[in-house]
Amino acid sequence: GDSVTQMEGPVTLSEEAFLTINCTYTATGYPSLFWYVQYPGEGLQLLLKATKADDKGSNKGFEATYRKETTSFHLEKGSVQVSDSAVYFCALCGAGSYQLTFGKGTKLSVIP
Amino acid sequence: SQTIHQWPATLVQPVGSPLSLECTVEGTSNPNLYWYRQAAGRGLQLLFYSVGIGQISSEVPQNLSASRPQDRQFILSSKKLLLSDSGFYLCAWSVERDTQYFGPGTRLTVL
Repeated sequence: GDSVTQMEGPVTLSEEAFLTINCTYTATGYPSLFWYVQYPGEGLQLLLKATKADDKGSNKGFEATYRKETTSFHLEKGSVQVSDSAVYFCALCGAGSYQLTFGKGTKLSVIP
Repeated sequence: SQTIHQWPATLVQPVGSPLSLECTVEGTSNPNLYWYRQAAGRGLQLLFYSVGIGQISSEVPQNLSASRPQDRQFILSSKKLLLSDSGFYLCAWSVERDTQYFGPGTRLTVL
């Protein structure tokens, strides 16, 4: 079945540091890929998405590129802020499916 | 624009009591609707989804049930809660099959 593996957290960075959160997936066909962010006590917010190979999703300074050859969708941001502290989830939706398959989440803490 | 509401925001219930969580979506017609549970150490789990009124698909057999009495209303229920039902319940909607948007969630504690 489909699966998503993302790097274990927690990740602690200083403000303005470069962020990478690794995400790899296993799925048949061409899934759609997503990053969601969850702030404490809140629901999930869609951060970005990509629906086909080599697509780059971007939002609020975050970027991720759909790499079919390496089955990866790594999240990056050039300069993190304290307000980026949250849990980040990588997810996929398989072709023809209604179900999102999530990674376990990576907790990011940004310190001033 | 579309908005999604869930209530209550928090709930504390005794074991064996019934449950009803409600989710409504505004600003769109005939959305796909979803219930997820987020439990500590177990990630996000899809419980039910619905592609139309009265159409419910269950992903995980358990003592929970779902209903969709109106186009933009999705209800999660239980007749008798278990301790293991504690968690954070999230409702989501989509128009496209894959891009889902989540509500603020309900924190359920079963004692």
